[in-house]
Amino acid sequence: AQSVTQLGSHVSVSEGALVLLRCNYSSSVPPYLFWYVQYPNQGLQLLLKYTTGATLVKGINGFEAEFKKSETSFHLTKPSAHMSDAAEYFCAVCNFGNEKLTFGTGTRLTIIP
Amino acid sequence: EPEVTQTPSHQVTQMGQEVILRCVPISNHLYFYWYRQILGQKVEFLVSFYNNEISEKSEIFDDQFSVERPDGSNFTLKIRSTKLEDSAMYFCASSEAGRLNQPQHFGDGTRLSIL
Repeated sequence: AQSVTQLGSHVSVSEGALVLLRCNYSSSVPPYLFWYVQYPNQGLQLLLKYTTGATLVKGINGFEAEFKKSETSFHLTKPSAHMSDAAEYFCAVCNFGNEKLTFGTGTRLTIIP
Repeated sequence: EPEVTQTPSHQVTQMGQEVILRCVPISNHLYFYWYRQILGQKVEFLVSFYNNEISEKSEIFDDQFSVERPDGSNFTLKIRSTKLEDSAMYFCASSEAGRLNQPQHFGDGTRLSIL
């Protein structure tokens, strides 16, 4: 069985500050890991994904995440927050041969002007 | 960029009625999915569909639910005898077949309200 834990249901950062959204996963086999963003009244948009290879992956809108197997983590970061980054962010995992995405509970990011 | 489209954006239905949620996946995609998100809760997997049959389903996806690909473009989720607890946002997603590192692309969702 696989699961995802996102620490902090709400995170507030000042505009221009570092964004750090935490994600830890549990999986019995090497996982595929994803971050999705959901803007109000919209669907889920893929930010970035890790499947194999380089553990630091870069996504859209200046976001990046690092897969750390020893810590079972896939934290999302952005060096400098922008007002347009305000949204809900979901970490998700799936496994080889299993197309089902398992999502975390989400983190609502608020940007303070 | 191609998109997954869902209709309607909001559906209001009386408890006990049947509802059909519609999705048009991205045209060259062959794997299709339904997820739901009850207000304030996480996004939950319902079902995956490939080659005109269900490939995986969750415990949520009981006999009340069914999926169908009635033609070459639409993918539908039918909920029979709706209950109050079926109120949620329902998301359709699609991905390319046979390539495990291809991500799922989501539609904007249908908000289902059961009265």
